[in-house]
Amino acid sequence: EDKVVQSPLSLVVHEGDTVTLNCSYEVTNFRSLLWYKQEKKAPTFLFMLTSSGIEKKSGRLSSILDKKELFSILNITATQTGDSAIYLCAVERHNQGGKLIFGQGTELSVKP
Amino acid sequence: NAGVTQTPKFQVLKTGQSMTLQCAQDMNHEYMSWYRQDPGMGLRLIHYSVGAGITDQGEVPNGYNVSRSTTEDFPLRLLSAAPSQTSVYFCASREGNYNEQFFGPGTRLTVL
Repeated sequence: EDKVVQSPLSLVVHEGDTVTLNCSYEVTNFRSLLWYKQEKKAPTFLFMLTSSGIEKKSGRLSSILDKKELFSILNITATQTGDSAIYLCAVERHNQGGKLIFGQGTELSVKP
Repeated sequence: NAGVTQTPKFQVLKTGQSMTLQCAQDMNHEYMSWYRQDPGMGLRLIHYSVGAGITDQGEVPNGYNVSRSTTEDFPLRLLSAAPSQTSVYFCASREGNYNEQFFGPGTRLTVL
């Protein structure tokens, strides 16, 4: 059975800390992994990863995929209170783009 | 573009009632999906569609029906509401495989 597992499920840090969120997967015919941020409303897209070892960056956020070990990490450096959110990862199979498989999410809380 | 819109934003039903959650997108996306989000469980796929006239079941389809008569609209019908269907429902759309998925603002449904 296809599975996407995120860890930790929740995390509390202080402003300025660096955090690493994990997403592991067991999915047949894997094509890509997507990261989303959700702040009390609809998820918003962060990254799509398809190739191993190529880091994607956006400001203080970065992410990388390891297709051999079947996981991805999302790093947030110099965290701010505005980074508080649920971070979701999802996996897509080849030619099944209508059917993303989501993990449980990691709830990040950044304290001042 | 309005993006993905959902109505209503909030709804309270009694057990056994039926209702339809509306979803529309104006981006001419082929793929549309319905998810439910419960605490600690991420997003679970209910039904999805890869084009007008084509729908398929996701992980948790029981108790829900969908149809896709136009590209723009993808309504979700609850046939006989149950307390277990209390959740936040998100509709999403996507241009096709390997693209970003856009989410609507969500509908918070309570079944008493």
